[in-house]
Amino acid sequence: QVQLVQSGAEVKTPGASVKVSCRVSGYSFTGHYIQWVRQAPGQGLEWMGWINPNNGGIKFAQKFQGRFTMTSDTSINTAYMELSSLKSDDAAVYFCARVRGPVVAGPFDAFDIWGQGTEVTVSS
Amino acid sequence: QSVLTQPPSAAGTPGQGVTISCSGSSSNVGSNTVNWYHQLPGTAPKLLIYNNNQRPSGVPDRFSGSKSGTSASLAIRGLQSEDEADYYCAVWDDSLDAWVFGGGTKLTVL
Repeated sequence: QVQLVQSGAEVKTPGASVKVSCRVSGYSFTGHYIQWVRQAPGQGLEWMGWINPNNGGIKFAQKFQGRFTMTSDTSINTAYMELSSLKSDDAAVYFCARVRGPVVAGPFDAFDIWGQGTEVTVSS
Repeated sequence: QSVLTQPPSAAGTPGQGVTISCSGSSSNVGSNTVNWYHQLPGTAPKLLIYNNNQRPSGVPDRFSGSKSGTSASLAIRGLQSEDEADYYCAVWDDSLDAWVFGGGTKLTVL
C-alpha cells in the first residue's frame, strides 16, 4: 500500500541544522508532489513547502526562505527537508505528505497520504 | 492568527450532527477548492474531504463538505465516539502564494 515513512526523532541545539527524510513506497515517487508541513506542540498545521520529485522543482513558504531546503533522491524514493539555524520555536513535529493528483496537474491538490511525523526538539 | 477562521471547539452527542465552519477570503476559499483533514492526538492528519465536497475512498458518507462564497463547512452526521479529533480546513491562497490551514477545531463527542 501507499506509505510515507519518515526518519526518527531528533534533538538539536539552537543554531544547528536538522535533516528529515521521507521514504515513499507503493506508488511512483516521481508521479506526485511532496509537501512538508509542521505542527508545533499544541498548535495547528503550518505549510512549509513542496518539491516535485520528477524535476527537483521546489517552492518554500516565505517565512522559511533562506534556511529551508528540500531535496529528493529518486534512486531510493526518498524526499528530504533540511532546516538550518534552528530556534526554539522550530520545535515541532514535521510531516511529509503526498499530493493526491498526478505531478502534471501541479501541487494544488489535497494531501492524501501523510508520513507518521518526525519530532524535532530544539534545546540547549 | 490563521488566515482561515475555524471555531476552536465543537461538541455533540453520539448520533447527533455537527457542522464545523471555515471562513476565508476571496484569495483563498473564494477562489480555490477546500480540503478537510482530521487528526487524532499523536497521529498524522488524514484527508477527510477534498475539492470542497469529495470523499476519499474509505471515508464514510456521514462526512460531507460544502462551500459557498468565502466560507466552507464540514458536516458530520451520526456522531460516533471515534470522530473525536481535531479538524482542519486547508486551501491554497493566491495572494500569500501559500497553502493555508485553519486554526483547527477540536470536536468532542459527549
